[in-house]
Amino acid sequence: KNQVEQSPQSLIILEGKNCTLQCNYTVSPFSNLRWYKQDTGRGPVSLTIMTFSENTKSNGRYTATLDADTKQSSLHITASQLSDSASYICVVSDGNDMRFGAGTRLTVKP
Amino acid sequence: GAVVSQHPSWVICKSGTSVKIECRSLDFQATTMFWYRQFPKQSLMLMATSNEGSKATYEQGVEKDKFLINHASLTLSTLTVTSAHPEDSSFYICSARVLPGGYTFGSGTRLTVV
Repeated sequence: KNQVEQSPQSLIILEGKNCTLQCNYTVSPFSNLRWYKQDTGRGPVSLTIMTFSENTKSNGRYTATLDADTKQSSLHITASQLSDSASYICVVSDGNDMRFGAGTRLTVKP
Repeated sequence: GAVVSQHPSWVICKSGTSVKIECRSLDFQATTMFWYRQFPKQSLMLMATSNEGSKATYEQGVEKDKFLINHASLTLSTLTVTSAHPEDSSFYICSARVLPGGYTFGSGTRLTVV
């Protein structure tokens, strides 16, 4: 069983709308959690990184939250743009290894 | 910020030939690099971890004689796919560990074996 579960698997929204992606993990011990954006045919690019003591972190229209007690994280995208169409990957580190979620494929339509 | 340059971005090769993919850390020293393979619509799968100056550690199921990894310097790691076959066609990505606790990825290489 994957130690990092993401939902939904895919999502289609209209341009300008908001959306929230979920990440649940069982990785232990916990070091940090990162959200990456991966455009098709490109390498992942880091959006946010959060450690145990951080509850929220923003990067422009992207806001990530972390609840270390329930081992859940979310990535909220505000006022979506066509360029937001990509896969969003949640990666949890135990300090040594990275555990990848399967990603959420987001499609923003005009 | 830390940048990893990966080349080539795409390559087409004939079955049975070998292909080398390079990853260079441009503005930092990467003592540890990771190599991943990603099939369409799937997540990254770790193939191996390479540490500068030592042998790479391969994940279970990854053939070390087929996927040769060299990390001879602190700024360069290479992955050579030997005797490539169509089933090796995939997207290969490297990443480097960046302190503290972060990772930066290369832009990926699309390998097509015909």
